[in-house]
Amino acid sequence: DVKVTQSSRYLVKRTGEKVFLECVQDMDHENMFWYRQDPGLGLRLIYFSYDVKMKEKGDIPEGYSVSREKKERFSLILESASTNQTSMYLCASSPGQASFYGYTFGSGTRLTVV
Amino acid sequence: RKEVEQDPGPFNVPEGATVAFNCTYSNSASQSFFWYRQDCRKEPKLLMSVYSSGNEDGRFTAQLNRASQYISLLIRDSKLSDSATYLCVVIIRDNYGQNFVFGPGTRLSVLP
Repeated sequence: DVKVTQSSRYLVKRTGEKVFLECVQDMDHENMFWYRQDPGLGLRLIYFSYDVKMKEKGDIPEGYSVSREKKERFSLILESASTNQTSMYLCASSPGQASFYGYTFGSGTRLTVV
Repeated sequence: RKEVEQDPGPFNVPEGATVAFNCTYSNSASQSFFWYRQDCRKEPKLLMSVYSSGNEDGRFTAQLNRASQYISLLIRDSKLSDSATYLCVVIIRDNYGQNFVFGPGTRLSVLP
């Protein structure tokens, strides 16, 4: 089975801190994604990457950046954490031709910014 | 109008009931469709793909109606363990490749 691992399950950070959320997948998938999920708003795409060193903005990239130096690792960076970034963050990966395989998600990181 | 819409529910049904969820999408270029299941405080997991001819997996049946741009999920003989949020997912091809668009989810509670 594909495994997508997120480094932390729960995280508490202070306003203004720089926060790194790490995601690693072990199935050589080309595509990786970062979402946040909030009650009533569903899953919203922050950034995605279709290849190493490639990144594209999703629907809500403001306040975030990403890094994909290696194929298996996709990092989400909060440059200066704010309380409105308190959320559940989900990483996902999929094969290059994903039509029939869907996504595999990591177990999520619940981030609280105080 | 949102790209993918679902009835948020919650749907509260007794064990053994049959329940159906609908999902509508606005982009006629949508190519592929999935249903995901998300348990409380867990990540979404793929439940089943949705094929044009319709497909069945045990108690679950998925249907696609391209003309009307909607997808359905039918659960027969509901179990307590079916309680979860069901997310409709649509793949749209854009300039970057494939874009997965998630619906907001429909919450199901199966009651004893």
